[in-house]
Amino acid sequence: QKEVEQNSGPLSVPEGAIASLNCTYSDRGSQSFFWYRQYSGKSPELIMSIYSNGDKEDGRFTAQLNKASQYVSLLIRDSQPSDSATYLCAVNETSGSRLTFGEGTQLTVNP
Amino acid sequence: NAGVTQTPKFRILKIGQSMTLQCAQDMNHNYMYWYRQDPGMGLKLIYYSVGAGITDKGEVPNGYNVSRSTTEDFPLRLELAAPSQTSVYFCASSYLLDRGGNQPQHFGDGTRLSIL
Repeated sequence: QKEVEQNSGPLSVPEGAIASLNCTYSDRGSQSFFWYRQYSGKSPELIMSIYSNGDKEDGRFTAQLNKASQYVSLLIRDSQPSDSATYLCAVNETSGSRLTFGEGTQLTVNP
Repeated sequence: NAGVTQTPKFRILKIGQSMTLQCAQDMNHNYMYWYRQDPGMGLKLIYYSVGAGITDKGEVPNGYNVSRSTTEDFPLRLELAAPSQTSVYFCASSYLLDRGGNQPQHFGDGTRLSIL
């Protein structure tokens, strides 16, 4: 059973702070890593994808991947109340056809 | 641009009834997936398909059936509804990169199903 674990929440940060979300995975052959945001009552929405070791930045979001240590993280800079949501980490299985999702980390940004 | 379309959005069933949740995508994706999400939990894979005519079980397939006769459509069938199947159901689609990595999955808006 492939596993994806996320840091337990809920996570609460003040507006303007950096929110750090972490995820570890068990399948060493995984090649693709995704972060989804899910607002309450809505469907998951892709915010970042990363395929190579290192950092990938997109606006206020930075994804970090370390395949040797089997972790992937998401940093949200200058956090806004609109960032309050559940963040899901997803990792592809070695076969390439399936993603395994973590349980999610609930983030609250306080004005 | 429709993306992934799920119908119905809401449904209440009685125990033992049957129904089909519809999912259609217009992005020519070869991969399609069905997930369920219980309150406060992550996504659990029910069934998936890597192309027309090919389906496979996920983590929680019991009580469900699927078919994939076309690239666009991937319906999920509940034969004998049980209270444990009360959940939100999401359909998703994606395609596979040549190098073996996944492209992101695109999700529909979900079907909220209650079994009473």
